[in-house]
Amino acid sequence: KAGVTQTPRYLIKTRGQQVTLSCSPISGHRSVSWYQQTPGQGLQFLFEYFSETQRNKGNFPGRFSGRQFSNSRSEMNVSTLELGDSALYLCASSLEGQVRQPQHFGDGTRLSIL
Amino acid sequence: DQQVKQNSPSLSVQEGRISILNCDYTNSMFDYFLWYKKYPAEGPTFLISISSIKDKNEDGRFTVFLNKSAKHLSLHIVPSQPGDSAVYFCAASGTNTGNQFYFGTGTSLTVIP
Repeated sequence: KAGVTQTPRYLIKTRGQQVTLSCSPISGHRSVSWYQQTPGQGLQFLFEYFSETQRNKGNFPGRFSGRQFSNSRSEMNVSTLELGDSALYLCASSLEGQVRQPQHFGDGTRLSIL
Repeated sequence: DQQVKQNSPSLSVQEGRISILNCDYTNSMFDYFLWYKKYPAEGPTFLISISSIKDKNEDGRFTVFLNKSAKHLSLHIVPSQPGDSAVYFCAASGTNTGNQFYFGTGTSLTVIP
């Protein structure tokens, strides 16, 4: 069974640019969440999408946005990039059901801002 | 506001001994807890979970203990193996947080052969 796939794996941008990251969840998973990981900060929740709707949102500025398509694939967009946006961006998918389910992560996109 | 805390950034253990990783949380509404293992350049891999209706869950060499009154959980690895060397994250969610998980900052475990 294929896992969560994130593309690209690495990305270098400059301040002021924008970037789009992509995530394909595990087949059958309809919930997709995005996290930012920076050194010493752990994983910080960005947002979660389910059935093409944003269901939860973390405490990040509006420059961070996302969407989900009908096939559950998700994209995350960051506009007007800042040096502090340099981080590992992780996508996770999970099943929905009566019993709580863990999230399964992709290998992330390493974003570097110059 | 760090609702999930892992106060030990690193831990070293001899191969074959027990590794104990600790995690504390502040939100009394959390009722579902996970442990993940992360190798460099890879995403976190799900290890084991526990819901608040239980105080212990085992899966092979991994056991998670939950102390709800102390808002504390721990992961025991017995016996520890060199391949267990990785960063371990605990995560928590609650019925009032939907599918949003709160993560600790991680503990780097080194198992010495």
